[in-house]
Amino acid sequence: QKEVEQNSGPLSVPEGAIASLNCTYSDRGSQSFFWYRQYSGKSPELIMSIYSNGDKEDGRFTAQLNKASQYVSLLIRDSQPSDSATYLCAVGLMEYGNKLVFGAGTILRVKS
Amino acid sequence: GAVVSQHPSRVICKSGTSVKIECRSLDFQATTMFWYRQFPKKSLMLMATSNEGSKATYEQGVEKDKFLINHASLTLSTLTVTSAHPEDSSFYICSASSSGNTQYFGPGTRLTVL
Repeated sequence: QKEVEQNSGPLSVPEGAIASLNCTYSDRGSQSFFWYRQYSGKSPELIMSIYSNGDKEDGRFTAQLNKASQYVSLLIRDSQPSDSATYLCAVGLMEYGNKLVFGAGTILRVKS
Repeated sequence: GAVVSQHPSRVICKSGTSVKIECRSLDFQATTMFWYRQFPKKSLMLMATSNEGSKATYEQGVEKDKFLINHASLTLSTLTVTSAHPEDSSFYICSASSSGNTQYFGPGTRLTVL
């Protein structure tokens, strides 16, 4: 059973702070990792993808991947109330073709 | 880039009728499209994977005769919910992927069966 685990939250952070979202996965063969944001009542929106160990930055977002420890994280700097959403971690495996395994998501609330 | 559309965005139908939902990749060719269902405050549930020109692969527990999927071209996939019942009411979301496994999601279709 391929599993992707996320803390359901809610994670509450004050406006301007750094929000740290974490995700662990069970299969060491996992090769691709994605973070999606989903606002209430809307569909998921791709934020970032990461494939290699280390950090990948895009604007206020930084994805961190550690394959040895089997975790991937998303940091959101200078959090804004508009960042309040559910963040989904997704993991891809070669044996799954193009399928992704999604975590249940972490609810983030940014308070102004 | 990587825009996926869905139509309709919202549909209300009577029990026993069939509903067709279209998913289109607007600016890229999607070799694979996925159909998900999401109930309120629940996570995404993959229903099926479809590759252009091939039969869809359904996830365990999803009735292929009830949820008909057609992926006739590299930019269009359709999901038909046949003989819909109130328990089929849900948020249906498609996603599309070209090379690699990055998935781009459509805006979703909210189905209400009366």
